[in-house]
Amino acid sequence: DAKTTQPNSMESNEEEPVHLPCNHSTISGTDYIHWYRQLPSQGPEYVIHGLTSNVNNRMASLAIAEDRKSSTLILHRATLRDAAVYYCIPYSGAGSYQLTFGKGTKLSVIP
Amino acid sequence: NAGVMQNPRHLVRRRGQEARLRCSPMKGHSHVYWYRQLPEEGLKFMVYLQKENIIDESGMPKERFSAEFPKEGPSILRIQQVVRGDSAAYFCASSPVPVGTQYFGPGTRLTVL
Repeated sequence: DAKTTQPNSMESNEEEPVHLPCNHSTISGTDYIHWYRQLPSQGPEYVIHGLTSNVNNRMASLAIAEDRKSSTLILHRATLRDAAVYYCIPYSGAGSYQLTFGKGTKLSVIP
Repeated sequence: NAGVMQNPRHLVRRRGQEARLRCSPMKGHSHVYWYRQLPEEGLKFMVYLQKENIIDESGMPKERFSAEFPKEGPSILRIQQVVRGDSAAYFCASSPVPVGTQYFGPGTRLTVL
């Protein structure tokens, strides 16, 4: 499995953009970069995933470095509901079907 | 669309009892995954099942734990003779294809007294 490095915690003011970084320098060529988040006392929630190009959906944007060794999850306007632990997970399913969750980044949103 | 459903949401057992956790995948999903989250730790994969088949159980403890996903009905994670160390949140996820995006349920929080 590719190793990931994320900040332990980050803070953001409400309604401001948030950029959550992830380093995955050992990512394989077939791994997609998945982001999940886990709100307190809830199950993980899928946020977004991508392979090489930047991706957008209703929840967030994903910016992937050209060398694919890092990526950034972008929340355009943080709300209190976005306070969660965010996990960056390289995953292709090749040889293993499991998602490997690291420690993630705990995002706090300040009203 | 109903999401992944798990029940019960909370389960209390005494040491030595059995715990049965149920997971109903999203409609149209035939692939189920179980994960465990011990207190203050990250989620760890336990087992991956397709209908009537266990595909990958590399994360399952060797004893007391079993899982099934019958042709009809929910997937069941069964823990026999529970011990205090089994206290954790157990999450189920489902996907429509084997390496598709996994969608998680709300979890079952097991407390062993």
